[in-house]
Amino acid sequence: EAGVVQSPRYKIIEKKQPVAFWCNPISGHNTLYWYLQNLGQGPELLIRYENEEAVDDSQLPKDRFSAERLKGVDSTLKIQPAELGDSAVYLCASSLVDGSPLHFGNGTRLTVT
Amino acid sequence: AQSVTQLGSHVSVSEGALVLLRCNYSSSVPPYLFWYVQYPNQGLQLLLKYTSAATLVKGINGFEAEFKKSETSFHLTKPSAHMSDAAEYFCAVSGYGNKLVFGAGTILRVKS
Repeated sequence: EAGVVQSPRYKIIEKKQPVAFWCNPISGHNTLYWYLQNLGQGPELLIRYENEEAVDDSQLPKDRFSAERLKGVDSTLKIQPAELGDSAVYLCASSLVDGSPLHFGNGTRLTVT
Repeated sequence: AQSVTQLGSHVSVSEGALVLLRCNYSSSVPPYLFWYVQYPNQGLQLLLKYTSAATLVKGINGFEAEFKKSETSFHLTKPSAHMSDAAEYFCAVSGYGNKLVFGAGTILRVKS
């Protein structure tokens, strides 16, 4: 089966610019996650979806970050405007159902200059 | 709430030597525990998981981990290191709702 696909792999933008990341989960996986991984740290959950519903977005900085999962399949994470501190790797993961193992994509490495 | 502490941000072993990566957890509910591996510029891959069945869990690539409730530990071991094991390893814990909390990671270096 195809794994979790993320694009782009790398993105360099200037501060105050908008940026968007895209994720296509494994087919049939109902649960989708966005994680933030800062250099030298473990991933931290930003948002979790069950189908198209965001069931845990408590760690998402809502002043500049937004996410959507239309039709319960693909998902987009957006930052507007980006700040220097947003430079990190953004990981998408999916699981068959809540509680089953997570499958991660290769991530998008964002550099804000 | 759950938390994870990984002792040692860097571990270096010789090829063929024992690998031991330490993980201690804190959880207010019976935990599910995981080890993930991350190779450079890739996502995380599940090595093994503990879900309250056998306390000794065997994973992929010859790794195993033992759940010790009395010590709140879930250390990862491999009897003989291979060059291909060089990567970053993350311990993670979850309670209800599958909210995974990751440790800061341990970079494993394997010397020839």
